[in-house]
Parts: sequence; C-alpha cells; structure tokens
Amino acid sequence: QKEVEQDPGPLSVPEGAIVSLNCTYSNSAFQYFMWYRQYSRKGPELLMYTYSSGNKEDGRFTAQVDKSSKYISLFIRDSQPSDSATYLCAMTVTGGGNKLTFGTGTQLKVEL
Amino acid sequence: KAGVTQTPRYLIKTRGQQVTLSCSPISGHRSVSWYQQTPGQGLQFLFEYFSETQRNKGNFPGRFSGRQFSNSRSEMNVSTLELGDSALYLCASTYLAGDTGELFFGEGSRLTVL
Repeated sequence: QKEVEQDPGPLSVPEGAIVSLNCTYSNSAFQYFMWYRQYSRKGPELLMYTYSSGNKEDGRFTAQVDKSSKYISLFIRDSQPSDSATYLCAMTVTGGGNKLTFGTGTQLKVEL
Repeated sequence: KAGVTQTPRYLIKTRGQQVTLSCSPISGHRSVSWYQQTPGQGLQFLFEYFSETQRNKGNFPGRFSGRQFSNSRSEMNVSTLELGDSALYLCASTYLAGDTGELFFGEGSRLTVL
C-alpha cells in the first residue's frame, strides 16, 4: 500500500462547477502538505501549501488538511477550462528537506 | 527570471547504456532535487543536493547517482539502463534545503530505454 493514495480519475466537470480533489495518507509524521498542478508535457507547479491542519484559501482554490483523518482536500470554485490538468498532492515530514511523497495525481478536465 | 532548465528534453537509449541528465536551477537557488515520474508510480524522490552535498536520498538502486557543482548546477547519472528506467526525470530547485516543499520544477527529461 502506498503512503499517499489519490484517485487517478479522470474527473470531468462542466465549466463553473466546484471541484473536489482528495488524498489520504498513512504516515502520521507528515506535517507539510502541498498541491501541485501539472499540465501536459510540463513540470509540476505549486498551487497551495499548508502546514499541519486547517484551511487555506487563495483565490478560487481552498486547501484543507484533516490530520486526525489523514485526509487532505483541494477545492476549486468556478472551474475553468484552463484548470484542466493533473493535480498532485504532496507531503513531507519535519526535517525531510525537499523529499516529498507524492500521490499519483488526479486528471481533471473542465468542459465548456 | 529564468526557470529551471533541464537538458536534454528527450533521449532514447538502449538497455545497458548509461545516461547523464543536466539541471540548471533558478538563479540564486542552492538546493536541487531530482524526481522520477512514471504513470504507475507517479513522482518518486531520487535525491537532493545542497551546497554540493547530498542531503537526502530516495529508495533507488546505486545505478542512480547525482552530483552538484559549485554553481549549483546538478547532474544525475543512470548506469546500466533497464527498460523500467523509462520515465520523465524532473529536477526541482529551491533557495534553501528547507521543509517548505515549495519546489520549482523544470519541464523534465523524458528518457526512453529500448
């Protein structure tokens, strides 16, 4: 079993929908949680970064971390076709440096 | 400001050969990390370098190695290539080797092993 599990999708939604992306993890030592977005044939780019539990909002994006359930979520409001990409959750432990453990990614398609 | 630059972008090798991939980090960044991305396993951490020293290493065989130069540029080498080494190899840089996870990735080097 992988340390980080993520539904690969694909997930297809109409433009304007609210998208919910999720990851579960097994290592309770994870303290730093990130969401990356990866367009086809590009490298991942950081979308959201959260330390420990709680919510963080940035424009149309909201990241939630529930450490008691070992569950993290990314919500996208008013989704746009330009949001079509693969979304990767990632996490690391204190002292882990830049050694991140990634989920396998969820492919999202936002249709007109 | 220029992003992370990886060369070559695409390459094809045969089993048993070796390959060297290069990464130039964002100017001023001193930490470079390497990841392997495959459809089945996703992104997996290879190693991290900071100030020419390997700071962290993932669970890959010794055929995978890397180094960092004094100008922060990094190279990774894979010897005795196997079919399973076919993957996208991503390099990422940050200013420091911290815990933030805020990595800046290059576009990757896509390796195909025949």
